[in-house]
Amino acid sequence: NAGVTQTPKFRILKIGQSMTLQCTQDMNHNYMYWYRQDPGMGLKLIYYSVGAGITDKGEVPNGYNVSRSTTEDFPLRLELAAPSQTSVYFCASRVGRGSNQPQHFGDGTRLSIL
Amino acid sequence: AQSVSQHNHHVILSEAASLELGCNYSYGGTVNLFWYVQYPGQHLQLLLKYFSGDPLVKGIKGFEAEFIKSKFSFNLRKPSVQWSDTAEYFCAVVAGAGSYQLTFGKGTKLSVIP
Repeated sequence: NAGVTQTPKFRILKIGQSMTLQCTQDMNHNYMYWYRQDPGMGLKLIYYSVGAGITDKGEVPNGYNVSRSTTEDFPLRLELAAPSQTSVYFCASRVGRGSNQPQHFGDGTRLSIL
Repeated sequence: AQSVSQHNHHVILSEAASLELGCNYSYGGTVNLFWYVQYPGQHLQLLLKYFSGDPLVKGIKGFEAEFIKSKFSFNLRKPSVQWSDTAEYFCAVVAGAGSYQLTFGKGTKLSVIP
């Protein structure tokens, strides 16, 4: 069981370029999340989804977009990369019912914008 | 909005020392509480969680945490740390019975010296 899979693991972008961070899960989880992790700041929620076709903004959505066309996939799009978006990005998923259910995390994507 | 405070940014201990990491949250209603661990270069993994019942919860690798509602606290403890416990530890809260958003603290980095 692969769990949550993120690709790529590492990427360097130039300012103004765009890219999509991929996230897929094979646990049939309804809820999926994107976080960014910056040193000393913990994890900040970018976007989340409670099911296919439904997405909503988290705490730090500016500069990002998401889509959720299937239960399995939740890609994160950066349209115009900026140095402030240099970070480690984690995708997570959890079972829909019950707020006591833990989130399962992918291995992360380390993104540098130069 | 709810917030999570972790009191220590970096804790350095010798092997066999006891550990207590503080976590306080700001939300007066029903909460579900989690501790996650992130080993160097890896993704977040669930250590333990509390959602109801016995306020003393036991997790993996000998960790435990105590929920004290009156103090809005959920401190993590381990009687005797090992070098392999070197990692970053995150406290997280889901506030509200129907919520699906996880709010993280900024993390505490633990370094265990052999």
